[in-house]
Parts: sequence; structure tokens; C-alpha cells
Amino acid sequence: AQTVTQSQPEMSVQEAETVTLSCTYDTSENNYYLFWYKQPPSRQMILVIRQEAYKQQNATENRFSVNFQKAAKSFSLKISDSQLGDTAMYFCAMPNAGKSTFGDGTTLTVKP
Amino acid sequence: KAGVTQTPRYLIKTRGQQVTLSCSPISGHRSVSWYQQTPGQGLQFLFEYFSETQRNKGNFPGRFSGRQFSNSRSEMNVSTLELGDSALYLCASSSQGAGGSYEQYFGPGTRLTVT
Repeated sequence: AQTVTQSQPEMSVQEAETVTLSCTYDTSENNYYLFWYKQPPSRQMILVIRQEAYKQQNATENRFSVNFQKAAKSFSLKISDSQLGDTAMYFCAMPNAGKSTFGDGTTLTVKP
Repeated sequence: KAGVTQTPRYLIKTRGQQVTLSCSPISGHRSVSWYQQTPGQGLQFLFEYFSETQRNKGNFPGRFSGRQFSNSRSEMNVSTLELGDSALYLCASSSQGAGGSYEQYFGPGTRLTVT
């Protein structure tokens, strides 16, 4: 069975600063994907960034990047130059066919 | 392409009633998954349909059921509603079959309140 753990229920960051959200996971698969999703208040959940386990290079999407440590089963999300629009709940997720396992989420507040 | 749509967006039902929620996936997507989101339990997987067949099922009682039509639209039904069924129900679609990244695209959700 897959598990995904986010140990930070809430975090805050000042606008323009950098913040890192943590995620650990467990799986018996050797090749898999990991995602970070963003769910803004009362808005749709959207995919922020994805990582393929067999790729050693960490994924980057504009201000969002990951630190993927396969041996440690760690998958953290770094948001650089935080903006007010980054305020949202962030979920770490691991898909398994059409069934994704989600962490409990981290509520991030960006303060002006 | 149009995104994932869910109807209705909001529902208020009484205990004991039943409810049907609808999800239209992104055009061309054959996989539709349903999740229940609550503050206490987070996001929990209900089931997934692929080409009209239930391919995965979560740990929910039999009161929760679903189906998928030939056009990939999906419905989920909850019978004999309980107060604990109050939640945001999310639908997600994906274009992938076996293998692949299973990147899921989510709808806005249906907020169900059971009184």
C-alpha cells in the first residue's frame, strides 16, 4: 500500500520570500510519479508540478521546484518569490493507476 | 479544451435521502475518479472508472456507487444519506490507461450538505 505524509498542517511566508513544503511517501514500486497539487480557497485543484521517479533531475516549473530524494522517499516543494496568489492548500500525491493517494495537505498563507 | 465539469455545484439533502452527482471529463479522457474531501479525513478515494468499467475502488460502504457512460461522463450515487456524508465531492479525469503518469485534472467539486 502507498502512503503519503505531509507533516506541516499550516505554514506562512512573507511575500517575495521562499518557502519549502515537506512530503514523505512510501511505496514498493520502483518507478512511479509524484505530484504537488494546489487548491486555492474555494477554487479548483490544479497540478503544480510532477516528478518521475526514474529521473534524477529535480523538476522545475517557473517559481516552483522540487527536491526529490528517492532513497529517503522525500519530495519537498520549494516556492520562490512567494506571491499572494500562492495562498492555498497544497497536496502531495502519488498516483496508482486512476487512484491517487494524497497527503493531508499543508495550508500555506502568503502575507503581504 | 473545456475542463472537468461537475453538477450540481451545491446540494442540500436530508438524512435518509439519496443523491446523484454528475461529472463530465475533459474531452478524450477515459478515466474518471471520484474523491471525498472533508476537513477531518482529507481527500479519500472513492472509485475510478475507465471505459465504463470500475477499475479501482476505495474503502467506502456500498451506499456509495458509481457508473460511467459510453461518452465517459460519470455519475456517483449515495443512498441513505448520513450526516457524515457532508463533504466536497471531487471528480478528476485523466487520459491515461495502464501505465503513464496519471496526471489528473479536477473539477470544481460538488458541495453536499446533509441535514
